[in-house]
Amino acid sequence: DAGITQSPRHKVTETGTPVTLRCHQTENHRYMYWYRQDPGHGLRLIHYSYGVKDTDKGEVSDGYSVSRSKTEDFLLTLESATSSQTSVYFCAISESDRRQGRDGYTFGSGTRLTVV
Amino acid sequence: DQQVKQNSPSLSVQEGRISILNCDYTNSMFDYFLWYKKYPAEGPTFLISISSIKDKNEDGRFTVFLNKSAKHLSLHIVPSQPGDSAVYFCASKDQGGSEKLVFGKGTKLTVNP
Repeated sequence: DAGITQSPRHKVTETGTPVTLRCHQTENHRYMYWYRQDPGHGLRLIHYSYGVKDTDKGEVSDGYSVSRSKTEDFLLTLESATSSQTSVYFCAISESDRRQGRDGYTFGSGTRLTVV
Repeated sequence: DQQVKQNSPSLSVQEGRISILNCDYTNSMFDYFLWYKKYPAEGPTFLISISSIKDKNEDGRFTVFLNKSAKHLSLHIVPSQPGDSAVYFCASKDQGGSEKLVFGKGTKLTVNP
């Protein structure tokens, strides 16, 4: 499987503070994504990137920004954390090979963020 | 508007029996469908996929069926094992070339020994 790591794994922060989550991959994949998982909502796309300095918004992008200055790193920033951003955040990379029956994502292990 | 729907939040089955998880989609542009499995405190992992040119794909105990006319797919697990207890997400991708996956809300499967 592709190497993908998220940091930190857990974080507690105060309302109003900025927070940055990091996703690092070792596979040189072009596409990277940030999702959040919440009870009753499944996985929702926050932002994604299709290359260095090429990013776009997903369905729940308000209050979040991203940066991708290197292929291997995709950063998610909560500009001013709110309690509604308490969630589990997953990074993913594309690993498309339809000939092998794999055409989807590889996910990181997640970051559990609590905003108090 | 939810494009991928998993209407059963949970499912409980006995070990050895069949588990059937269902998924409906609304976007007729979707041409590739995937199932992911997620254990607590871990990221989702790819399980099985199917292209819209097929109506069935099988991998060991797991089979995915696609009914394009009904915009419905299902995942069959036979026989079910306690280790299959997890949340299962259905996901779809459209034929427009976008790499974005759209996920359903998930179904929590519990397999009882």
